[in-house]
Amino acid sequence: QLQLQESGPGLVKPSETLSLTCTVSGGSVSRNSYYWGWIRQPPGKGLEWIGSIHYSGNTYYNPSLKSRVTISVDSSKNQFSLKLRSVTAADTAVYYCARNIAATYGDWFDPWGQGTLVTVSS
Amino acid sequence: DIQMTQSPSSLSASVGDRVTITCRASQSISSYLNWYQQKPGKAPKLLIFAASSLQSGVPSRFSGSGSGTDFTLTINSLQPEDSATYYCQQSYSSPWTFGQGTKVEIK
Repeated sequence: QLQLQESGPGLVKPSETLSLTCTVSGGSVSRNSYYWGWIRQPPGKGLEWIGSIHYSGNTYYNPSLKSRVTISVDSSKNQFSLKLRSVTAADTAVYYCARNIAATYGDWFDPWGQGTLVTVSS
Repeated sequence: DIQMTQSPSSLSASVGDRVTITCRASQSISSYLNWYQQKPGKAPKLLIFAASSLQSGVPSRFSGSGSGTDFTLTINSLQPEDSATYYCQQSYSSPWTFGQGTKVEIK
């Protein structure tokens, strides 16, 4: 079945760039009907959608983060990636990647990766 | 952004109870509402999409209803493994937003 796995540094210094990759197995990121998304969850808090990408390169971002975020896809590696620039302690969170199903009756996320904790600290 | 408000924030119920969680949107979102279950240290899991469609593999004791601004997640005959935090999410208008969560504990 489809599985997603996040990877990347667990510690990032303030003002630097957070970079994460999501590797997809058991399916292709190039399926036309799917987007691929990033969602984060600060410790002890709720969920925040960061953005999503289609294999064609079409992206849409949360306006609250848009100026600092880039999501890209590498179909040859069956991966998609997140870059978040100029991070602060407020960006400390568990970052999840997920398949974003875009259907007639809305968008939902299924399945999710296990998540990776990224701490912003000097 | 569309604000999603869940109530209650937490609840405690006994095995076998019927549990209801409410999610209210700050504007009408038709049926563009999804529900997730998250257990401690785990990723969220999709339970319900499009307000009332049960995701494959999810036990039938879970059900969703509502449209417009008011939605409900119902757990019939609560089981010990249902102890978790539940989130609603709207996809009527980007950015997709989540409720703050409802923590369900077993008495």
